[in-house]
Amino acid sequence: EAGVAQSPRYKIIEKRQSVAFWCNPISGHATLYWYQQILGQGPKLLIQFQNNGVVDDSQLPKDRFSAERLKGVDSTLKIQPAKLEDSAVYLCASSGQGAAKNIQYFGAGTRLSVL
Amino acid sequence: DAKTTQPNSMESNEEEPVHLPCNHSTISGTDYIHWYRQLPSQGPEYVIHGLTSNVNNRMASLAIAEDRKSSTLILHRATLRDAAVYYCILRDVATSYDKVIFGPGTSLSVIP
Repeated sequence: EAGVAQSPRYKIIEKRQSVAFWCNPISGHATLYWYQQILGQGPKLLIQFQNNGVVDDSQLPKDRFSAERLKGVDSTLKIQPAKLEDSAVYLCASSGQGAAKNIQYFGAGTRLSVL
Repeated sequence: DAKTTQPNSMESNEEEPVHLPCNHSTISGTDYIHWYRQLPSQGPEYVIHGLTSNVNNRMASLAIAEDRKSSTLILHRATLRDAAVYYCILRDVATSYDKVIFGPGTSLSVIP
C-alpha cells in the first residue's frame, strides 16, 4: 500500500515570496491533515479536512496560509507571503474510517527554509 | 495545550527494555491513548493505541493504569533504530472529529 506522498521534500525561499506544498493521501482516506513542525517542537495542526470540507482550521494563519482539497483527494497548502517564522517542516497526514479512523499516516514532510 | 505530559528525554542501553511514561490526568472516558514516534528526518509513525486494557503489537506494548491517568509505552529490547521522539496523544472517538494536539514528546537516545 502506497503511503502519504508529499512534494517537494525541501524548499528554500526568501521572505515575502510565495510557496505551495502538495500532498496525496493514502487511497480511500477521507480525512487529511496539515501540520507545521518547528524544530524541537511537536507537530501543530494547521487544518483538517473531511473529504473536501474543512472541519478545523482554527490554528491556520488565514491572512497568509490557505489550503484546499479539491475532489476530496489530494491537497495543497500555500503560504503567501512567507515570513521568517514560517521556516518549519510541513507534514501531511491522512486517516481512514472504521475501527482505525483515528490512526494517522504521515508523509515525510516538506522542509521549508525562509531566508 | 497538550493534554499529556512526558519527560523531555530518556536514555537506554541497547538491548535493554525501555519504559516511556505519559501522564494524562484529565483523560475522558472516550479518549483513546495513542503513541507515535518520529525518527530523524521522517514524519511521525503510529506505534500503538489502547483504551483501558494493556495492548501488545509487534512494535511495543502499552500498559495503561487502572485509573487511566497514566500510561507507559514499553519497548522490550531497545535497538539503535528505536532512537526517536515518542509522542503520547489522546484521541476522542466520541466526536465526529477531535483536535489532535501533540506535545514536545520524549526524545529517546539508545546507547550502544
